[in-house]
Amino acid sequence: KNQVEQSPQSLIILEGKNCTLQCNYTVSPFSNLRWYKQDTGRGPVSLTIMTFSENTKSNGRYTATLDADTKQSSLHITASQLSDSASYICVVSTGGGNKLTFGTGTQLKVEL
Amino acid sequence: NAGVTQTPKFQVLKTGQSMTLQCAQDMNHNSMYWYRQDPGMGLRLIYYSASEGTTDKGEVPNGYNVSRLNKREFSLRLESAAPSQTSVYFCASSEIQGGNSPLHFGNGTRLTVT
Repeated sequence: KNQVEQSPQSLIILEGKNCTLQCNYTVSPFSNLRWYKQDTGRGPVSLTIMTFSENTKSNGRYTATLDADTKQSSLHITASQLSDSASYICVVSTGGGNKLTFGTGTQLKVEL
Repeated sequence: NAGVTQTPKFQVLKTGQSMTLQCAQDMNHNSMYWYRQDPGMGLRLIYYSASEGTTDKGEVPNGYNVSRLNKREFSLRLESAAPSQTSVYFCASSEIQGGNSPLHFGNGTRLTVT
């Protein structure tokens, strides 16, 4: 069964600090891996999409890494801001990108 | 540019009532989707429309029907609502189905069935 597991489930950090969120998957065959940010009460917004050949991809202060051999990805947030408080969802696609399996998300809270 | 617009934002139904959730996108995307999001679970695909004129079942289609009205609009209908359909419903669109095309989501409809 295709699965996407994220850790930690929740995380609290101080503003200005860095953090790393993890995503492990068993989806096969792999097409791409996506990270989304979901603010409370809003729909998810795409941060990055990584294909098999991409190890690292950045979007501003967000940097995603992918190790297709170990089926792991991480999302690193640098110099966190209050506006980074949100749920971060890892999504892995298969079937040429037609079938998406969503993780349950990591709830990040950034405090002063 | 509004992106993906969903109406209504909130809805309370009694068991057995019917309703239609509306979704429209202004990005000229070919593919549209309906997902539901429940606590402790990842988003699950209900139905999708790869292109205008086509619709297909997703992972959890039972109790729902859809209509791709035109390229912009994709509606989701609950014919006889059940408490198990209490959820947050998200409409999404993408330039094409699959590949590396990102999904663009609306802000959801929060539905409670009593």
